[in-house]
Amino acid sequence: EDQVTQSPEALRLQEGESSSLNCSYTVSGLRGLFWYRQDPGKGPEFLFTLYSAGEEKEKERLKATLTKKESFLHITAPKPEDSATYLCAVQAVSGTASKLTFGTGTRLQVTL
Amino acid sequence: KAGVTQTPRYLIKTRGQQVTLSCSPISGHRSVSWYQQTPGQGLQFLFEYFSETQRNKGNFPGRFSGRQFSNSRSEMNVSTLELGDSALYLCASSGQGSDTQYFGPGTRLTVL
Repeated sequence: EDQVTQSPEALRLQEGESSSLNCSYTVSGLRGLFWYRQDPGKGPEFLFTLYSAGEEKEKERLKATLTKKESFLHITAPKPEDSATYLCAVQAVSGTASKLTFGTGTRLQVTL
Repeated sequence: KAGVTQTPRYLIKTRGQQVTLSCSPISGHRSVSWYQQTPGQGLQFLFEYFSETQRNKGNFPGRFSGRQFSNSRSEMNVSTLELGDSALYLCASSGQGSDTQYFGPGTRLTVL
């Protein structure tokens, strides 16, 4: 069974204080690893897709990296508007199936 | 391009009733997936439809069902509602040749 574990559960940072969120996964064969951001009461917003170990993607203050067992979401010099829950999900190689298995997320709060 | 839309946004039902939720995917997307999000279990996959056919199903009881129409719009139905069905129900769509799923805002279902 595919499993995704995210840590920490919650993280409080001061504005400008860089940090990393971790996503460890177990999957029979990785088709893709996805990062989403979710604001309270809203649907997840797509951030990145990573397909193979060593791959990196960047967007503004966020950078996602992937190894064979885990992914990191690095947040550089965060701002209060980066406060959200960050979700990691994996998609297994399974024919045409599109099922995503999600972790429980990291709740990030960035204060002034 | 307009994003994924879901209606209604909020619903209140009582135990034993049934409910139908609607999802319109991004124009041109033919795959629609449904997820249930609760504080305790996080995001869990319900089912996926492609070209009016259910392509994959999660581990939910038969009370949860869905369908997809020829215009790719999808509906999910929950019969004989239970208190534990209270959740945010999210719909996501993806385009042909892409693994990325784009989520709608969700329908918040409360069962009293």
